[in-house]
Amino acid sequence: EAQVTQNPRYLITVTGKKLTVTCSQNMNHEYMSWYRQDPGLGLRQIYYSMNVEVTDKGDVPEGYKVSRKEKRNFPLILESPSPNQTSLYFCASTSGMARNEQFFGPGTRLTVL
Amino acid sequence: KQEVTQIPAALSVPEGENLVLNCSFTDSAIYNLQWFRQDPGKGLTSLLLIQSSQREQTSGRLNASLDKSSGRSTLYIAASQPGDSATYLCAVNRDDKIIFGKGTRLHILP
Repeated sequence: EAQVTQNPRYLITVTGKKLTVTCSQNMNHEYMSWYRQDPGLGLRQIYYSMNVEVTDKGDVPEGYKVSRKEKRNFPLILESPSPNQTSLYFCASTSGMARNEQFFGPGTRLTVL
Repeated sequence: KQEVTQIPAALSVPEGENLVLNCSFTDSAIYNLQWFRQDPGKGLTSLLLIQSSQREQTSGRLNASLDKSSGRSTLYIAASQPGDSATYLCAVNRDDKIIFGKGTRLHILP
């Protein structure tokens, strides 16, 4: 089954404790992206990747890192999480350099205390 | 900077009615526009994708139109059903960056 998976689905952590949210897709898509969704602010793009070893900043990249060492994986790294990074995070992938339909993962609900 | 607006923010209509959701964007130089559905606490489900060269796309009771020059898209839902209740989001692709609107929360009254 074609899908985008994220892990963990739920995470509660404390300020400053490094964490990684994994994202994997099995559709051989070139383009992958991370978003955060907050009440009243909607979905905002954090980082995106056009292909392996190619990443770029979205609208809200501060406090986040990403890497794209393999085509199928695009982890989101919070080196020193803060409470303002409490949010619902979505990973997505698309074929054809983002010119086609986006497929979303189920989301990761992160709480930073 | 590209901005995407969806009006109204919330909408309630009786079951069986046809309805239109609106999406507007400030920069017409887009690659495509996509409509999504999101149920409470869930992820996003793609409904329709319109490439910049297209004027409309249809899937079942859904029809999406795109007028790039005026920066507008509409999502038409025919014969609405209670199961259509959800938040509907539009997103534009501009230079491979994706910008979302804040969504329209739709409630279909039985």
